[in-house]
Amino acid sequence: DAKTTQPPSMDCAEGRAANLPCNHSTISGNEYVYWYRQIHSQGPQYIIHGLKNNETNEMASLIITEDRKSSTLILPHATLRDTAVYYCIVRGANTGNQFYFGTGTSLTVIP
Amino acid sequence: GAVVSQHPSRVICKSGTSVKIECRSLDFQATTMFWYRQFPKQSLMLMATSNEGSKATYEQGVEKDKFLINHASLTLSTLTVTSAHPEDSSFYICSAPTGPEAAYEQYFGPGTRLTVT
Repeated sequence: DAKTTQPPSMDCAEGRAANLPCNHSTISGNEYVYWYRQIHSQGPQYIIHGLKNNETNEMASLIITEDRKSSTLILPHATLRDTAVYYCIVRGANTGNQFYFGTGTSLTVIP
Repeated sequence: GAVVSQHPSRVICKSGTSVKIECRSLDFQATTMFWYRQFPKQSLMLMATSNEGSKATYEQGVEKDKFLINHASLTLSTLTVTSAHPEDSSFYICSAPTGPEAAYEQYFGPGTRLTVT
């Protein structure tokens, strides 16, 4: 079962930063937070993942709170192509290192 | 990032027939692969874990005799939907982790759209 909760939908103006929150209050110490996105009728695309520290790559930044009970995915300059469903997933040995998807956040980038 | 492919991308079959879907890791080896199913406007649902050299493990409620999984090599897993019925029509997606532990990234295939008529 998914261990995360996300808002069902969000809007973001093109060119602005998109901040997508995720709650994972029952996360264990050895579990990672992963973010994927899915554009309609495609397979999920890997974005970023982290354990404790904040992470940044060419696509996004991941901010994990100190208590690790929540995180935020930041798309620094949203474009229309960032419109997708974003999934926050907790993954670790407790779940067999498998991904159990929640309902995700449908992000719409508005021109 | 690593690449996972699926074949076919779309398939239409008649009720009662069987359909095989292939999942390949193109530039890395995967001792484990995962199969998901996604119905319209819903999230991905994990169906089973495909293990190279051993039997697949199925999630609760997934019929192992209906969804046959064979992990033939370190780069290939197949899902066969046997005696397909219209309710099996769905988007099937596979994934493969690049390593055995949670720290390793996992990549998804592009999906296979199955329509059973």
